[in-house]
Amino acid sequence: SQQGEEDPQALSIQEGENATMNCSYKTSINNLQWYRQNSGRGLVHLILIRSNEREKHSGRLRVTLDTSKKSSSLLITASRAADTASYFCATDTGANNLFFGTGTRLTVIP
Amino acid sequence: DTAVSQTPKYLVTQMGNDKSIKCEQNLGHDTMYWYKQDSKKFLKIMFSYNNKELIINETVPNRFSPKSPDKAHLNLHINSLELGDSAVYFCASSRTSGSRNEQFFGPGTRLTVL
Repeated sequence: SQQGEEDPQALSIQEGENATMNCSYKTSINNLQWYRQNSGRGLVHLILIRSNEREKHSGRLRVTLDTSKKSSSLLITASRAADTASYFCATDTGANNLFFGTGTRLTVIP
Repeated sequence: DTAVSQTPKYLVTQMGNDKSIKCEQNLGHDTMYWYKQDSKKFLKIMFSYNNKELIINETVPNRFSPKSPDKAHLNLHINSLELGDSAVYFCASSRTSGSRNEQFFGPGTRLTVL
């Protein structure tokens, strides 16, 4: 299966702390994307990192990619209660498809 | 304005019925997708359409059939509904075929088969 896998499955932190989520995948990729899903809503694209990039920033988000280990991490700094959501990684293998991971459920406690 | 919209938001029906879910995007994208999200939040691609041409069908039963009257619409028809079809179905669109660009998702349709 080309499906990615996030770790941990669930994460609970205090507001203001940093949250780190990891994603592992199995095949070579063109790029890796992170999405966010609020409860009962559709997914929203957060950030895309290409296979030749190692790190990317967007606001409070920092994504790293290690293609040798087939892994990526998403760091959310200075978390807020509004960051509470599920976070998914998705891999683009160049096969006209995105393969989504199983998601990390983040809870930020005010 | 909603970029990707789906109707209905909730659908409750009996086993054996036939139902449709509609999807429309006003982003001018040329590729649209249908995903199924199960109770464990696993999101799986079902179909994608590029300029009215089906380019992916991921081992989906033929009871499911996508219909695209134009590139702004991709409807999902489901025949002979089964209990296992209960899930949330998401429509999405992107600017080019292939997934190098981000996908924009609709709000989802929660299908419950009784």
